[in-house]
Amino acid sequence: NAGVTQTPKFRILKIGQSMTLQCTQDMNHNYMYWYRQDPGMGLKLIYYSVGAGITDKGEVPNGYNVSRSTTEDFPLRLELAAPSQTSVYFCASTRDRKNIQYFGAGTRLSVL
Amino acid sequence: DAKTTQPNSMESNEEEPVHLPCNHSTISGTDYIHWYRQLPSQGPEYVIHGLTSNVNNRMASLAIAEDRKSSTLILHRATLRDAAVYYCTGASYDKVIFGPGTSLSVIP
Repeated sequence: NAGVTQTPKFRILKIGQSMTLQCTQDMNHNYMYWYRQDPGMGLKLIYYSVGAGITDKGEVPNGYNVSRSTTEDFPLRLELAAPSQTSVYFCASTRDRKNIQYFGAGTRLSVL
Repeated sequence: DAKTTQPNSMESNEEEPVHLPCNHSTISGTDYIHWYRQLPSQGPEYVIHGLTSNVNNRMASLAIAEDRKSSTLILHRATLRDAAVYYCTGASYDKVIFGPGTSLSVIP
């Protein structure tokens, strides 16, 4: 099993550009999550999804959008990138909130 | 939302037991308590989880207070590879919120 796959691993954006961070899982998990981790800090929940077609805001959703058209994919969209969005982004999935979260390797994003 | 608090940092000597505390005073009766750890430059990885009873696995033990407002992750013999940031998480409905984490240093 590949588990949770995130692409790209690294990206540099200019202020105002847009991009989509990809996340795919092959474990048929219903629940998927996007977190951001600023340098030296803990993880903050951006958005989450409990199944295809269902998404909801986490702690820090401003500046981001998500969609969940399939069970496998949960892309995170950044519109009008800002320096404050420089961070490492982690995607995770789980069968349900009682169970283990499996994390991807992360996407390191710099906005300059 | 379920909130957790943890000490910012702790130290342990190699080969000695480590007790990492977490307070989750707002946890609801059906929320599981999860612990994850994050090694430098890696994503978080699962350590252990439980609901009410104490739990053991090959990595660690989890002691849950009777009122469930706190828990303790126990590493029985700390090794240098256990140096990491340890997070306890509270799950409020479908959100999984990470606490600030405890940075564990292991002294040879």
